[in-house]
Amino acid sequence: NAGVTQTPKFQVLKTGQSMTLQCAQDMNHEYMSWYRQDPGMGLRLIHYSVGAGITDQGEVPNGYNVSRSTTEDFPLRLLSAAPSQTSVYFCASSSDGPLDTQYFGPGTRLTVL
Amino acid sequence: RKEVEQDPGPFNVPEGATVAFNCTYSNSASQSFFWYRQDCRKEPKLLMSVYSSGNEDGRFTAQLNRASQYISLLIRDSKLSDSATYLCVVNSPSGNTPLVFGKGTRLSVIA
Repeated sequence: NAGVTQTPKFQVLKTGQSMTLQCAQDMNHEYMSWYRQDPGMGLRLIHYSVGAGITDQGEVPNGYNVSRSTTEDFPLRLLSAAPSQTSVYFCASSSDGPLDTQYFGPGTRLTVL
Repeated sequence: RKEVEQDPGPFNVPEGATVAFNCTYSNSASQSFFWYRQDCRKEPKLLMSVYSSGNEDGRFTAQLNRASQYISLLIRDSKLSDSATYLCVVNSPSGNTPLVFGKGTRLSVIA
């Protein structure tokens, strides 16, 4: 049981490039979410999904897209990277929604130059 | 007032000490409260949920004070392995984020 996995662990992009952060879970969790963590700030919700085919915006969705075609996978797409998107990105999943235990992936450290 | 506020620390305590963290929240309609632990450069992990009557898990005790809108975490007999950042997490019944994370309180337990 791998839990929540994220790839890549580290990434450097140039301004304007696009990329996809991968997230997968093998716990058959319906609820998945993406957060970003910046120094001196709490984790902030980017997008979330309550099940396959359903996604919704969180607190800071601008510049990011998500899709949920399967229960297992929840990729996060950066459309045109900006230095303000330099951050650590965490994917999380839970069995029973946001108030259930959140299982986080190991994170992706992204730097945008 | 920010939704969830924590003293950032750091709290530097010797092994064996008792240390307590407080966290205040602004939304009186919040019903669910949690403490997560985050080790340096790692992902957050649930430490414990906080129940209305207070709850204990080994050396850790969590309390909720609804009247004053704060939750607390008490760690007794601190171990070196307790060194981490402790995140206060509160549900947000309104707005576009179901959970609000505090910035965290850093604890260093020193030998």
